[in-house]
Amino acid sequence: GAGVSQTPSNKVTEKGKYVELRCDPISGHTALYWYRQSLGQGPEFLIYFQGTGAADDSGLPNDRFFAVRPEGSVSTLKIQRTERGDSAVYLCASSPNPSGSANEQFFGPGTRLTVL
Amino acid sequence: QKEVEQNSGPLSVPEGAIASLNCTYSDRGSQSFFWYRQYSGKSPELIMSIYSNGDKEDGRFTAQLNKASQYVSLLIRDSQPSDSATYLCAVRYGSARQLTFGSGTQLTVLP
Repeated sequence: GAGVSQTPSNKVTEKGKYVELRCDPISGHTALYWYRQSLGQGPEFLIYFQGTGAADDSGLPNDRFFAVRPEGSVSTLKIQRTERGDSAVYLCASSPNPSGSANEQFFGPGTRLTVL
Repeated sequence: QKEVEQNSGPLSVPEGAIASLNCTYSDRGSQSFFWYRQYSGKSPELIMSIYSNGDKEDGRFTAQLNKASQYVSLLIRDSQPSDSATYLCAVRYGSARQLTFGSGTQLTVLP
């Protein structure tokens, strides 16, 4: 079946602009996660959704970052007033059973964000 | 602060050898452990998960978990050049749902 998809694959923007990154999880997966990865580092957690609600947003770095998942499927990560330090690969993952011990997460291809 | 530590490498092994990748974690309350493979310019791909002490084998891959020592490892037998990638260790701590990742170990398998 289809995996996690993310659009756009690349986004170049200017400092101060607003961007939206989209994630479409694996069909039937109730849990959705956003991470971001900088060069040479592992992914860092941003926010986790269970259904429509943000169950844990403790990883969001500041209030310029916001994410929604209005119908419990597709999610959008929104970044206001982008800064050069926001440049990274933004990864989305989904899992079928977040409350189980497994919680295996499957990643999408990522969106590479470059803030000039 | 919960941490996951990996030797960044690079680790080089000859084709056909066993590659051994190691990971330590800081919290004894950790529940689940995962190994991801990440090719350059690509996203992480799940290759193994392990939840109980001991070994878990899947093809050429064996994950080993020792919760008392807070240590998890990945062995790759009969290493192939196509195994050359960065291997990320990830841990799910306690009741959290998100994963905490190490910075990865870069593996090169020399033909």
